[in-house]
Amino acid sequence: DQQVKQNSPSLSVQEGRISILNCDYTNSMFDYFLWYKKYPAEGPTFLISISSIKDKNEDGRFTVFLNKSAKHLSLHIVPSQPGDSAVYFCAASDNTDKLIFGTGTRLQVFP
Amino acid sequence: KAGVTQTPRYLIKTRGQQVTLSCSPISGHRSVSWYQQTPGQGLQFLFEYFSETQRNKGNFPGRFSGRQFSNSRSEMNVSTLELGDSALYLCASSPGTGYHQYFGPGTRLTVL
Repeated sequence: DQQVKQNSPSLSVQEGRISILNCDYTNSMFDYFLWYKKYPAEGPTFLISISSIKDKNEDGRFTVFLNKSAKHLSLHIVPSQPGDSAVYFCAASDNTDKLIFGTGTRLQVFP
Repeated sequence: KAGVTQTPRYLIKTRGQQVTLSCSPISGHRSVSWYQQTPGQGLQFLFEYFSETQRNKGNFPGRFSGRQFSNSRSEMNVSTLELGDSALYLCASSPGTGYHQYFGPGTRLTVL
């Protein structure tokens, strides 16, 4: 029972363009959502989060959008840079420290 | 501040053996969580400890256990290892609920 789904295993984007990574969830009790980035041989690194009381949160080149009615969130990276190439995980929690992760989307940004 | 550290980084065991993994959280962090990462499964939550008490538990068999010490350091134990236990085991710490988690580099366990 995959409560958090990232249906695109990979995404390829040209440098300078927008990268849009998507995530869907099924549990309506989730009230906090996060995006993590992971490079090979390293642990995930926190990128950005959003509470269920908001529908948008911005941090520099990264913006997360939350659509609660559709149970959908997305991460926008603008402009995309080669250093953004990594695996991106979305995660959700229900006001506990138990994070439920998606299976990840591998982003490749090419010149 | 030093980040989350995990030891050992790599481990090779055979089926039926047991293994203990160690995690030192960021100084001041009282919550420690453990995750298993396997190809195609993403990160799956194992358990979370706060002030030496297990607060949350994932859907893993009883062969997987953990504990937390008074200094917040945590250990995870897997008994009677199976081939399917081969994975990257990640530890994460946070000051508590409502804060994002900081991950360590992981311990790569290979079961032969």
